[in-house]
Amino acid sequence: KNQVEQSPQSLIILEGKNCTLQCNYTVSPFSNLRWYKQDTGRGPVSLTIMTFSENTKSNGRYTATLDADTKQSSLHITASQLSDSASYICVVSATDNDMRFGAGTRLTVKP
Amino acid sequence: NAGVTQTPKFRVLKTGQSMTLLCAQDMNHEYMYWYRQDPGMGLRLIHYSVGEGTTAKGEVPDGYNVSRLKKQNFLLGLESAAPSQTSVYFCASRARQGSPLHFGNGTRLTVT
Repeated sequence: KNQVEQSPQSLIILEGKNCTLQCNYTVSPFSNLRWYKQDTGRGPVSLTIMTFSENTKSNGRYTATLDADTKQSSLHITASQLSDSASYICVVSATDNDMRFGAGTRLTVKP
Repeated sequence: NAGVTQTPKFRVLKTGQSMTLLCAQDMNHEYMYWYRQDPGMGLRLIHYSVGEGTTAKGEVPDGYNVSRLKKQNFLLGLESAAPSQTSVYFCASRARQGSPLHFGNGTRLTVT
């Protein structure tokens, strides 16, 4: 069983709408959690990092939250744009080279 | 800056053939990684390197070998390709512990 579960698997929204992606993990110990964006045919690109003591962090229209007690994170996208269409991957680090990847949420933004 | 460059972009092999995937980074990063990405699964670590001349096994190392003779290059070898190795392979690098991974754009490998 994957130690990082993401939901939903896929999501379609209209341009301008908001959405929230979920990441639940069982990885232990916990070092940090990153969200990556992967455009089709490209490698993932880091959006934000959350450490144990951080609850919320924003990067433009992206806001990540972390609840280390329940081992849950979310990525909220505000006022979606067509360019937000991509896969969003949650990555949880146990130790420094032990990074566990979620399978990703495939987001499609339609005009 | 080119960042992380992977060659080739696509390759088709027959079962039993061998090949080498090349990863080059121009950011002077110490750490380099090879992952494979399969449908419905998260990226899985094949091998990694924490510096020139060092390599270590990841989660799925069987059937693969690696070398890091120069700091900027990390090679992934398949000695005898199998259909189960059909996948998209990603190389990544990072400067230090805790810093983000920088990925190449992948090599799509099909083994028939």
